[in-house]
Amino acid sequence: GESVGLHLPTLSVQEGDNSIINCAYSNSASDYFIWYKQESGKGPQFIIDIRSNMDKRQGQRVTVLLNKTVKHLSLQIAATQPGDSAVYFCAETRAYNAGNMLTFGGGTRLMVKP
Amino acid sequence: DAGVIQSPRHEVTEMGQEVTLRCKPISGHNSLFWYRQTMMRGLELLIYFNNNVPIDDSGMPEDRFSAKMPNASFSTLKIQPSEPRDSAVYFCASSPTNTDTQYFGPGTRLTVL
Repeated sequence: GESVGLHLPTLSVQEGDNSIINCAYSNSASDYFIWYKQESGKGPQFIIDIRSNMDKRQGQRVTVLLNKTVKHLSLQIAATQPGDSAVYFCAETRAYNAGNMLTFGGGTRLMVKP
Repeated sequence: DAGVIQSPRHEVTEMGQEVTLRCKPISGHNSLFWYRQTMMRGLELLIYFNNNVPIDDSGMPEDRFSAKMPNASFSTLKIQPSEPRDSAVYFCASSPTNTDTQYFGPGTRLTVL
């Protein structure tokens, strides 16, 4: 189902290769970052997060790297599988006392070739 | 937990009709968010609630859009009258207290003819 923009940057990788998806954020005051995965016809799904006091965090097959100096976030997926094909969004926020608004990036489409 | 529940999953209506989208957040979550996703504009935050109170509705496009949260387990987004440019996927998300992770529902695909 259509759920994302026509003009998304696309990353095409071979199954089994590693994928790196990049995101530049704008607010230097942001202190919390999340990566979401959105499969066709579904809502965004939380993958991994990182706070600004860290520069690296690892999950299962995924790693997020944060470079606050250049305001850059990356998501690394090891041994990419066909099920990883989706649109990936980064999101940032500066925690509020009365809420937690996220600002989403435009998304990157990951296509995994079998 | 069943996750965030949205209804209907699909809605097709004619221009000028009233549309009501519904959301049940995850139990115990204190914040609720309504987003709109389109091909051209991507994911946009429309409004969010904290403890049932609207905190920021600056993303609501026009007075035709309104949202309510009468209790902690239910929210509605209403469009009246609807227009073809309102066609989009509308997502509801909820977040627990003191964390910033939002959990999204499956979305409602709205088509206004």
